[in-house]
Amino acid sequence: ETGVTQTPRHLVMGMTNKKSLKCEQHLGHNAMYWYKQSAKKPLELMFVYNFKEQTENNSVPSRFSPECPNSSHLFLHLHTLQPEDSALYLCASSQDSGTDYEQYFGPGTRLTVT
Amino acid sequence: ILNVEQSPQSLHVQEGDSTNFTCSFPSSNFYALHWYRWETAKSPEALFVMTLNGDEKKKGRISATLNTKEGYSYLYIKGSQPEDSATYLCASVKTSYDKVIFGPGTSLSVIP
Repeated sequence: ETGVTQTPRHLVMGMTNKKSLKCEQHLGHNAMYWYKQSAKKPLELMFVYNFKEQTENNSVPSRFSPECPNSSHLFLHLHTLQPEDSALYLCASSQDSGTDYEQYFGPGTRLTVT
Repeated sequence: ILNVEQSPQSLHVQEGDSTNFTCSFPSSNFYALHWYRWETAKSPEALFVMTLNGDEKKKGRISATLNTKEGYSYLYIKGSQPEDSATYLCASVKTSYDKVIFGPGTSLSVIP
């Protein structure tokens, strides 16, 4: 148990659906991250939030919309996804977004877009 | 090097063997280098965060070194155990704010 939880753990959605991924951290951290891992590709940073403010958007398509209402919660809203968006989506948190802090990862959401 | 590279891609060793693998990263604008261990069906777990050239870190049987001038880091595992079986990821952090780039990982299997 890392102190970072993600729901749901598995999600199957059609291309016209709207769904949201949720991440919650119980570590008192100030920074939260969304990562994507597609098959046979490295972990890819999507978004970074520090003190609820977005500090990094790694050229992510607008069909992925992040939301960070407070330092403990992070959402990823999904709409009109494509089959190539099927992947494992990992959430992480760290004490601060200063990048010499280790990150704590959640278990991930396995997303399948049909 | 534009991306973070790791070698070998996979490794099979016998229990008790010592092993090491490499992470290569862009040496320009270097800020930090992270190592993570990712066991199957679990979350990635931080091993080390390294920032200084010549830095060496150790946690139990696992240690790491860092050369920021030439852009590489080595991870060493002494006396491998089956529970060390996992994918080992390194991530390079550049001075541009929050830019974290992961390598593809080295998959280690320790055979009992």
